[in-house]
Amino acid sequence: AQTVTQSQPEMSVQEAETVTLSCTYDTSESDYYLFWYKQPPSRQMILVIRQEAYKQQNATENRFSVNFQKAAKSFSLKISDSQLGDAAMYFCAYREENNNDMRFGAGTRLTVKP
Amino acid sequence: GAVVSQHPSRVICKSGTSVKIECRSLDFQATTMFWYRQFPKQSLMLMATSNEGSKATYEQGVEKDKFLINHASLTLSTLTVTSAHPEDSSFYICSARDLGTGTSGVSSYEQYFGPGTRLTVT
Repeated sequence: AQTVTQSQPEMSVQEAETVTLSCTYDTSESDYYLFWYKQPPSRQMILVIRQEAYKQQNATENRFSVNFQKAAKSFSLKISDSQLGDAAMYFCAYREENNNDMRFGAGTRLTVKP
Repeated sequence: GAVVSQHPSRVICKSGTSVKIECRSLDFQATTMFWYRQFPKQSLMLMATSNEGSKATYEQGVEKDKFLINHASLTLSTLTVTSAHPEDSSFYICSARDLGTGTSGVSSYEQYFGPGTRLTVT
């Protein structure tokens, strides 16, 4: 079974600074998708960024970017110019190309200090 | 954009009773819906996957007779917690996906999440 590991239960960053959240995964598949979701106190899951495994270029969405290392099975999230509103739980997720369900890591709680 | 709604957002029920949670895709047809359970300060754990018109596939350890899932239409799935007990108290989240080429601009490889339902069993 595929597993997703987030080794940082909690992270803290100063407002306007940059923080990187780590994620590794285990799979024998070559085609799959990776996601980062944000879950604020409202508990609504919000898609932050996604990466298709066949794409070598790292995905970027405004202040959010990923470092996708396919051989190392690593998928870290970098948040630049951190804002107070970025404070939330962040979940890394994996889904196979031809499979339905999405598997989540344990999550990283990000605190942003003013 | 794709919107998934859940109803109710919060429910309190007495031990031994049943409670139904609805999940609706509002602007796209969800051929597949997923039900997750999230305990406090923990991750989302997949409970079951349901495809419209067929029986749900339950994850190992999830009692199908206790957590009844019905996906009768392309826009509605329901989760019924039968004979609820205090240990069933949790946050339940549904998610929907369009497996087609994408309708109304909805991506076919994204899952869209509902806002969740907090169940408290007293």
